[in-house]
Amino acid sequence: GESVGLHLPTLSVQEGDNSIINCAYSNSASDYFIWYKQESGKGPQFIIDIRSNMDKRQGQRVTVLLNKTVKHLSLQIAATQPGDSAVYFCAERYNQGGKLIFGQGTELSVKP
Amino acid sequence: NAGVMQNPRHLVRRRGQEARLRCSPMKGHSHVYWYRQLPEEGLKFMVYLQKENIIDESGMPKERFSAEFPKEGPSILRIQQVVRGDSAAYFCASSDGHKSEAFFGQGTRLTVV
Repeated sequence: GESVGLHLPTLSVQEGDNSIINCAYSNSASDYFIWYKQESGKGPQFIIDIRSNMDKRQGQRVTVLLNKTVKHLSLQIAATQPGDSAVYFCAERYNQGGKLIFGQGTELSVKP
Repeated sequence: NAGVMQNPRHLVRRRGQEARLRCSPMKGHSHVYWYRQLPEEGLKFMVYLQKENIIDESGMPKERFSAEFPKEGPSILRIQQVVRGDSAAYFCASSDGHKSEAFFGQGTRLTVV
């Protein structure tokens, strides 16, 4: 069946360092991917998205990389800050407007 | 432009009671998705609705759970005869169906006692 999985369940980084969160997906038909950030007690917050016709997309301090050959997605956070501490989820969608399938999440902990 | 609004934020029900969770999508959005999240876990898809139509309910339990999104008013997720295993956070997301971003509400935390 389809699944989206994460390589690392927890990640601890020093403030100011760069963070990389990885995600594997299994459905080669997926054409759209999103990264969400979820803080404790809150709903998922949209961070950045990428379509399958791209391999890289940059936002403010964040970059998403897509490698369709190995079905791998990553989120890079530059100059990680304490406010970045949260659980990060990747999600995939394989038809426009259809449901998002989420992975289990990676907890990012930023040490001051 | 208000975001996705869910209420109540917290809901306590005794076993056997009914739970009604409401979701008002972002202005201009006609697509609504419901997800369930257990502690320390990811979000599990339940149902996808457009106005007055259920598009995909592949994640909905066969019994006790139902969802609607009427022409007027919020989307409702209804759980009848709740059991302790229904305790979870229930999140609603909305999109306009054309752009693919889906934005989430703050969730309803259901506790069954």
